[in-house]
Amino acid sequence: DADVTQTPRNRITKTGKRIMLECSQTKGHDRMYWYRQDPGLGLRLIYYSFDVKDINKGEISDGYSVSRQAQAKFSLSLESAIPNQTALYFCATSEGIKDSGANVLTFGAGSRLTVL
Amino acid sequence: DAKTTQPNSMESNEEEPVHLPCNHSTISGTDYIHWYRQLPSQGPEYVIHGLTSNVNNRMASLAIAEDRKSSTLILHRATLRDAAVYYCILRDYTDKLIFGTGTRLQVFP
Repeated sequence: DADVTQTPRNRITKTGKRIMLECSQTKGHDRMYWYRQDPGLGLRLIYYSFDVKDINKGEISDGYSVSRQAQAKFSLSLESAIPNQTALYFCATSEGIKDSGANVLTFGAGSRLTVL
Repeated sequence: DAKTTQPNSMESNEEEPVHLPCNHSTISGTDYIHWYRQLPSQGPEYVIHGLTSNVNNRMASLAIAEDRKSSTLILHRATLRDAAVYYCILRDYTDKLIFGTGTRLQVFP
């Protein structure tokens, strides 16, 4: 099994629908992240969480919300999906060595979302 | 957040060394330099990271300039499987990791 599992891998939905992307990890990491990737572009940080009670906005949090249900689970929700949220979404985890920029990220395989 | 600058694309022939440059002139003393790569249709994967000294691992080497304002990822013998987008990122103690658009490496047989 993969260390970081994302579900669903592919989803097509309609404008205005509520969508949840789920991420679970078996690495025992404290820190989890959601990124968005648009065609030909790099990754942009949506939200990140340092532990179950610590959730922070990233570069592009508008239109998104997250829930950290447990150390191993971090969900991304689109309350009312719109077409410009069509993108590839990645979840990632890292250790939480305090005050260190050395923490390495492990990414999931991605969830491709299409909003019609 | 400190930013990095990378060429949009580079080319290499198989089995030749590849030097991928990255400029990070606004790096602070505690920022680590990370490299990730993204193979087609996959999530990014970790390649290497360093702070001040040059680093080697089984995938690559990282050469860091003495003033730390630039670094170079070195693939010693490129293979077709190394064709990917390579991201150079600065990571600080706040643990946000902001990606740029990276360098697309093409490897020719």
